[in-house]
Amino acid sequence: AQSVAQPEDQVNVAEGNPLTVKCTYSVSGNPYLFWYVQYPNRGLQFLLKYITGDNLVKGSYGFEAEFNKSQTSFHLKKPSALVSDSALYFCAVRKGFQKLVFGTGTRLLVSP
Amino acid sequence: DSGVTQTPKHLITATGQRVTLRCSPRSGDLSVYWYQQSLDQGLQFLIQYYNGEERAKGNILERFSAQQFPDLHSELNLSSLELGDSALYFCASSGDDGLYEQYFGPGTRLTVT
Repeated sequence: AQSVAQPEDQVNVAEGNPLTVKCTYSVSGNPYLFWYVQYPNRGLQFLLKYITGDNLVKGSYGFEAEFNKSQTSFHLKKPSALVSDSALYFCAVRKGFQKLVFGTGTRLLVSP
Repeated sequence: DSGVTQTPKHLITATGQRVTLRCSPRSGDLSVYWYQQSLDQGLQFLIQYYNGEERAKGNILERFSAQQFPDLHSELNLSSLELGDSALYFCASSGDDGLYEQYFGPGTRLTVT
């Protein structure tokens, strides 16, 4: 079954430091992977996706993600965190042709 | 702003009642998806419509139903409401039949008392 796991409930990082939010996946076949961010009282915003091609995917707001097939991981990264990056981050995998299966979410807290 | 709109933003109702949530997809998008977000269940896929036809079903209760109209807006109907139905309900849309990213609306927060 297609699934993703986000092993950390919360990640704390100081502003200006690099951040990593972890995601591992379990899929049969080629994985279609996504990252979304949810700000308080808002819907989910699409950040980036991996379909095929380069293992380093660049997305919105300076975020990028690294696809690692051997480690079945798709970690979200940013070189320099901002306080405004504080939010809930979801990794997701496409299952079948339609639905997204989401991880449990990781709360990112960036301190000034 | 994703371009997906949902109404109402908040809904408070009593157990046993019926409510209708409305979603308008991004201009040109043919697919509409409904998701439920709750603290204990996380984000769960409910159902997808593509150009008016039901395309995929997830963990949707029999008390819930949805439809997509010719103008592509969609409605999610929740009936015989229970306390456990209290959640955030999101609509998302995409231009294709689910191959790529989905764009989410701001959600409707349903509180059942």
